[in-house]
Amino acid sequence: EVQLVESGGGLVQPGGSLTLSCAASGFTFSSYTMSWVRQAPGEGLEWVSYISSGSSSINYADSVKGRFTISRDNAKNLLYLQMNSLRDVDTAVYYCVRVVGASRHFDYWGQGILVTVSS
Amino acid sequence: SYELTQPPSVSVSPGQTASITCSGDKLGDKNVCWYQQKPGQSPVMVIYQDTKRPSGIPERFSGSNSGNTAILTVTGTQAMDEADYYCQAWDSNSVVFGAGTKLTVL
Repeated sequence: EVQLVESGGGLVQPGGSLTLSCAASGFTFSSYTMSWVRQAPGEGLEWVSYISSGSSSINYADSVKGRFTISRDNAKNLLYLQMNSLRDVDTAVYYCVRVVGASRHFDYWGQGILVTVSS
Repeated sequence: SYELTQPPSVSVSPGQTASITCSGDKLGDKNVCWYQQKPGQSPVMVIYQDTKRPSGIPERFSGSNSGNTAILTVTGTQAMDEADYYCQAWDSNSVVFGAGTKLTVL
């Protein structure tokens, strides 16, 4: 069974930093592109970043470019999102998502982890 | 930047057919996915590659994509289908989501 479990969320002050982790199990993690998607309270889904299976291809949404860094450890089956210079608009539930197929669809989603940026 | 436009809300009576549209420039040239999200839950993929249905998704969910519009159709809508629905596509190496449509089963 595919499982994606996020951790590392919580309350952080504006300008602060936080690193999210996603533990993957039930599939060959090193073979899949992974992504982070977030959802602000009461709002829609917003793509944040993706990283290819071997980390050779990475991209970010303009809203987080230069502040967030995605990475992965295929030996440990872990996906990360390092978030710096956090703003109140970054407050959201962050989902770890598996990307699959030629059409690169998001087939499995984690349960999500809440990040609150507030003083 | 690329945009996907969805109606904020769609209402349907139980047993009837609901259609949710997603519009974007030359969207028919892209692969569109649809996700269902119920309150307090993570999104679930209900359609991928325009028309394909993942295992476990009821046959009443179907999709199409042509020209500038993709459509998610729910035939014989049930109360359990009440949820938010999001369309999604890739534009170059970025992902775009529609703003979401709240499907209400009256």
